Amino acid sequence: AAGVIQSPRHLIKEKRETATLKCYPIPRHDTVYWYQQGPGQDPQFLISFYEKMQSDKGSIPDRFSAQQFSDYHSELNMSSLELGDSALYFCASSEGGWGHEQFFGPGTRLTVL
Amino acid sequence: GENVEQHPSTLSVQEGDSAVIKCTYSDSASNYFPWYKQELGKRPQLIIDIRSNVGEKKDQRIAVTLNKTAKHFSLHITETQPEDSAVYFCAASRGNKLVFGAGTILRVKS
Repeated sequence: AAGVIQSPRHLIKEKRETATLKCYPIPRHDTVYWYQQGPGQDPQFLISFYEKMQSDKGSIPDRFSAQQFSDYHSELNMSSLELGDSALYFCASSEGGWGHEQFFGPGTRLTVL
Repeated sequence: GENVEQHPSTLSVQEGDSAVIKCTYSDSASNYFPWYKQELGKRPQLIIDIRSNVGEKKDQRIAVTLNKTAKHFSLHITETQPEDSAVYFCAASRGNKLVFGAGTILRVKS
């Protein structure tokens, strides 16, 4: 069965650079979520989109922005990167929003040097 | 906002024993409670979930109970096996976002 696809899987950036993470949800899934997971921590919700509209917002820094496109894929844009942004970034998707099972992608490991 | 507390932070059991992980949540409007298993460096994978209109759910060796009045829910794993060793996260949701507990490192000793 098709799963959530994330690219790239690994990314190394310097401080103050920008990064773009991509997420391709499971076919027919209309809701996408982004989570940030630091080492030894739980995933922290950043932002979600339902039918291409932002549906909920969590602890996403102002330096980050995201959108969902007409084909339902999503991109997380991160600017002015800081050392503390180093983390695993997971995208998840679901069919419908509220209370539906979220399937996680393999994650993008971002390292900021 | 929602706050989820999870206990214990680490749990060691002998193979074949049971393991119980407990979570409490603060937002009485939360209505969806999934449990995820995460192996090192891998994605969280849903192992079981429960909705607020149900008190208990079971899937083979895994069961979850929910007490809405007390705002707590628990994961029960019976007949533990070495491959159950992982980090387990509970989560609570009202609307789209999941709020996770801090996680429990489960070690099953053979």
